[in-house]
Amino acid sequence: EPEVTQTPSHQVTQMGQEVILRCVPISNHLYFYWYRQILGQKVEFLVSFYNNEISEKSEIFDDQFSVERPDGSNFTLKIRSTKLEDSAMYFCASTNDRVLDGYTFGSGTRLTVV
Amino acid sequence: ELKVEQNPLFLSMQEGKNYTIYCNYSTTSDRLYWYRQDPGKSLESLFVLLSNGAVKQEGRLMASLDTKARLSTLHITAAVHDLSATYFCAGEGGGATNKLIFGTGTLLAVQP
Repeated sequence: EPEVTQTPSHQVTQMGQEVILRCVPISNHLYFYWYRQILGQKVEFLVSFYNNEISEKSEIFDDQFSVERPDGSNFTLKIRSTKLEDSAMYFCASTNDRVLDGYTFGSGTRLTVV
Repeated sequence: ELKVEQNPLFLSMQEGKNYTIYCNYSTTSDRLYWYRQDPGKSLESLFVLLSNGAVKQEGRLMASLDTKARLSTLHITAAVHDLSATYFCAGEGGGATNKLIFGTGTLLAVQP
């Protein structure tokens, strides 16, 4: 079964450093998303991406965050200057047809900011 | 904006018992989703409920949707330990790409 792949699985970074989280969505999917989950809390929407541009972003997705689809397969989330409160699990998701397929989530990247 | 609430937040049940998790949402959502999450793991899709009155079953889990009441339920029949996990419901929050809005999750612990 096709998967959404995320790397790395765990990243530890110092406060103020830049991090890039990588995702390879399912190949024929067109809609891409980033979500985050702070430990023990619910999953929160960050940003959606379609047709090579951001479709929607949440209040969490401020100027420190950016997304890119640099080639036909990768989808990245960059945090320019990490803060302690950015520590969370970050999930990438993709879909082609929500009605039939729903959304497929990647295995996540656990980001720890120290 | 869509708000999604689940209850209970924590559910401890004995093997063999039945129980229901409730998911209420505040405004219209085209579809309602249920996901399972094991500790430290990703979100596994369980059900996609497409319309009013939809009922789906997979093994010991059955999900239903009542769009008029803005309520979805996840019913667990004869629970087994393997069902221990956190269960999330999510609605579609509208917008251009219909982001998912998740509930707070229900941590299910099935005791032998």
